Amino acid sequence: QSALTQPPSASGSPGQSVTFSCTGTGTDVGGYNYVSWYQQHPGKAPKLMIYEVTKRPSGVPDRFSGSKSGNTASLTVSGLQAEDEADYFCSSYAGSYNVIFGGGTQLTVL
Amino acid sequence: QVQLVESGGGVVQPGRSLRLSCTASGFTFSSYGIHWVRQAPGKGLEWVAFIWYDGSHKYYADSVKGRFTISRDNSKNTLYLQMNSLRGDDTAIYYCARDFYGDFSKFDYWGQGTQVTVSS
Repeated sequence: QSALTQPPSASGSPGQSVTFSCTGTGTDVGGYNYVSWYQQHPGKAPKLMIYEVTKRPSGVPDRFSGSKSGNTASLTVSGLQAEDEADYFCSSYAGSYNVIFGGGTQLTVL
Repeated sequence: QVQLVESGGGVVQPGRSLRLSCTASGFTFSSYGIHWVRQAPGKGLEWVAFIWYDGSHKYYADSVKGRFTISRDNSKNTLYLQMNSLRGDDTAIYYCARDFYGDFSKFDYWGQGTQVTVSS
């Protein structure tokens, strides 16, 4: 199965909002509500930011929100802060006990 | 607090074997399924394998099926990944990650990873 498609980079100024996309197919993103988003700072482990498309784990600011339409999931970060600068990966359950990830989007806070 | 600590990585020649470990603390290890996920240099994440909380079911990515074996010892709070017939494209940081519900929906805690380099 192919990786989910994410734009390689995105940017925004402090206080602005930015939205990342994650495009799959009907057998992964479009077929299940098991889309997650992870934040990864350089040299660090991934951190879960969103799971099951829209849910936030405790401790994740409500500036982070997720959504899905068809085969494309989205992560929106509102009120950008310097510490939000990181790589963001999406993932989706793809059936038959398999998960696929996206290639990641590098967020730059200008 | 929940902690996962990977170990066992290193430099290994193609065709050789390596065993990774992931030691858990801060939660009831025997109640959770655990995944291995890897990240090649400068690349995205790739799911590798999953084992049920009791070790009764195991699942693998096609890229490692038949070469890698996931296992666990709940008495030692430790997860393992036995990697055989290693290839250059297995070079990556290997992370273990807890699956909160055991249904692939929520990988809520990750370790810091251990580096595996396959090179002659």
